[in-house]
Amino acid sequence: GENVEQHPSTLSVQEGDSAVIKCTYSDSASNYFPWYKQELGKGPQLIIDIRSNVGEKKDQRIAVTLNKTAKHFSLHITETQPEDSAVYFCAASNNAGGTSYGKLTFGQGTILTVHP
Amino acid sequence: DAGVTQSPTHLIKTRGQQVTLRCSPISGHKSVSWYQQVLGQGPQFIFQYYEKEERGRGNFPDRFSARQFPNYSSELNVNALLLGDSALYLCASSVRPGYGYTFGSGTRLTVV
Repeated sequence: GENVEQHPSTLSVQEGDSAVIKCTYSDSASNYFPWYKQELGKGPQLIIDIRSNVGEKKDQRIAVTLNKTAKHFSLHITETQPEDSAVYFCAASNNAGGTSYGKLTFGQGTILTVHP
Repeated sequence: DAGVTQSPTHLIKTRGQQVTLRCSPISGHKSVSWYQQVLGQGPQFIFQYYEKEERGRGNFPDRFSARQFPNYSSELNVNALLLGDSALYLCASSVRPGYGYTFGSGTRLTVV
């Protein structure tokens, strides 16, 4: 089955700096890669996603890049703010069909702390 | 619009008991998935339902079961609870399987 590795496990930055979180996946059939932000006491919130036919996607201060050959994808947050502090999860799924259709496999999470 | 609603928010059960968790998806969403999140880890897939049929099952024992109702709401049942079942149980809904999952805030289950 799919395996997703996420690094780093913790990340501490100063307000205004950039933050980068990286994930690798094992199943070359995976074709959908969402990123979730989880705050204390809440469920994961989808912040950006990318499909395998796209190499990069940007939404204001957040961007995601995908390298299918190397099987890794990254989350980039620019101009970080204290309210960006949370746990971030990457995930991968194969939406082409089969028994794993639509199943999200998550990374272990990154605790991001943005210091004012 | 209401998001994904889960009930109850917190639950304490004794080993060996049975528990039922409930999920109401976003209006118009026909797919519901269940995930287990142990403290400090990413969510793990348990079940996916679409149009009231089971479309996927994760690597969980048969003590875990689920169903989806005609109004697309869903229940997750866990029998013979173990201490290791203590976790946050998350429900996610989407229009159809594959993309754009929205998660609820979860049910925190503690087994003592």
